[in-house]
Amino acid sequence: AQSVTQPDIHITVSEGASLELRCNYSYGATPYLFWYVQSPGQGLQLLLKYFSGDTLVQGIKGFEAEFKRSQSSFNLRKPSVHWSDAAEYFCAVAAVSGTYKYIFGTGTRLKVLA
Amino acid sequence: NAGVMQNPRHLVRRRGQEARLRCSPMKGHSHVYWYRQLPEEGLKFMVYLQKENIIDESGMPKERFSAEFPKEGPSILRIQQVVRGDSAAYFCASSPDRGDSNQPQHFGDGTRLSIL
Repeated sequence: AQSVTQPDIHITVSEGASLELRCNYSYGATPYLFWYVQSPGQGLQLLLKYFSGDTLVQGIKGFEAEFKRSQSSFNLRKPSVHWSDAAEYFCAVAAVSGTYKYIFGTGTRLKVLA
Repeated sequence: NAGVMQNPRHLVRRRGQEARLRCSPMKGHSHVYWYRQLPEEGLKFMVYLQKENIIDESGMPKERFSAEFPKEGPSILRIQQVVRGDSAAYFCASSPDRGDSNQPQHFGDGTRLSIL
């Protein structure tokens, strides 16, 4: 069965430091991949997506992610974190049995120190 | 240019009551999806609907839960005879098509359901 693993439940970084959030997936083919961000009490906002083509994807708010087929990974990065980036981040894949059925990881909660 | 609208934002019910959650998709979107997020977990797919049709309800509990997306009006997720375990955030998403193209799902702000 398809699955998404986000191994880091919590991450704390200082403002201005770089950030990398990990995401690994289990899938039978090249999936559709997504990163969403959720602020407390809010819905999910799409940061970026990968469907095909260039494996380095640029998103909103200065985020980027790299698809590595050999490692089944889609890690999210940001060179310099801002205090407003504190939120929960979810990696998701579109399932084999129907690309409409997104499978989400359990999320990584990011805390930013001033 | 409104996004996906869900209401109510918060809903409190006593055990045994019914809960009705509403979702209006983005303008131009005819595909609606419902997800459930339990505390400290990621979102889990529940059901996929198009206008007047349930396409995939494989993630819906077999009993007490139902969903509809009528020709006119919002999509409704209905939970009958709620129990404590139904407490969760319920998110609706929409897309302009089935998702096979470069059109990701857009999510609403969710309904937080609390069962007393």
